[in-house]
Amino acid sequence: EPEVTQTPSHQVTQMGQEVILRCVPISNHLYFYWYRQILGQKVEFLVSFYNNEISEKSEIFDDQFSVERPDGSNFTLKIRSTKLEDSAMYFCASKAGINSPLHFGNGTRLTVT
Amino acid sequence: AQKITQTQPGMFVQEKEAVTLDCTYDTSDPSYGLFWYKQPSSGEMIFLIYQGSYDQQNATEGRYSLNFQKARKSANLVISASQLGDSAMYFCAMREGTGANNLFFGTGTRLTVIP
Repeated sequence: EPEVTQTPSHQVTQMGQEVILRCVPISNHLYFYWYRQILGQKVEFLVSFYNNEISEKSEIFDDQFSVERPDGSNFTLKIRSTKLEDSAMYFCASKAGINSPLHFGNGTRLTVT
Repeated sequence: AQKITQTQPGMFVQEKEAVTLDCTYDTSDPSYGLFWYKQPSSGEMIFLIYQGSYDQQNATEGRYSLNFQKARKSANLVISASQLGDSAMYFCAMREGTGANNLFFGTGTRLTVIP
């Protein structure tokens, strides 16, 4: 069964550094998302992406964050200057159609020290 | 107001028994979708079941069924014949409207299956 793939599974970075989290959505999916989950808390929406542009973003998704779909397969989340509070599990998700369920990747655990 | 409320932080169930995980939601949009996801200790989010607001029948997927009570705005997940591998966090989520809307998640319920 096709799946959303995220790399790396775990990233450790120093405060102030830039990180890029990578995702390969399911190939025929059209809608792409990033969510995050701070340890022990609920999953929070960051941004949705459709037709090569951001369709919706949350208050969390400030100027430090950006997303890109540089080619036909990859979908990346960049955090320009990481803060301690950015430490979380970051989930990429995709879906085929408007009312389809979201399929999540296994997540990237980001630890900012 | 919270869009998704899961009032059970933790639940225990005996292996082979059925268990119901509660979820209530709040929306004024007539078109919405309700989802349940399972998160094992390894961290991934696994889609379990979906219920659309206009669906006439309760959704079922194998041992999972969704007890959808629209008037009460509840969408409880029922797991029948619990297995040890069902031990995990379970999240209820809602999509409001149609289109590429994001999902609102509840705080989750940690289910522990006892042998």
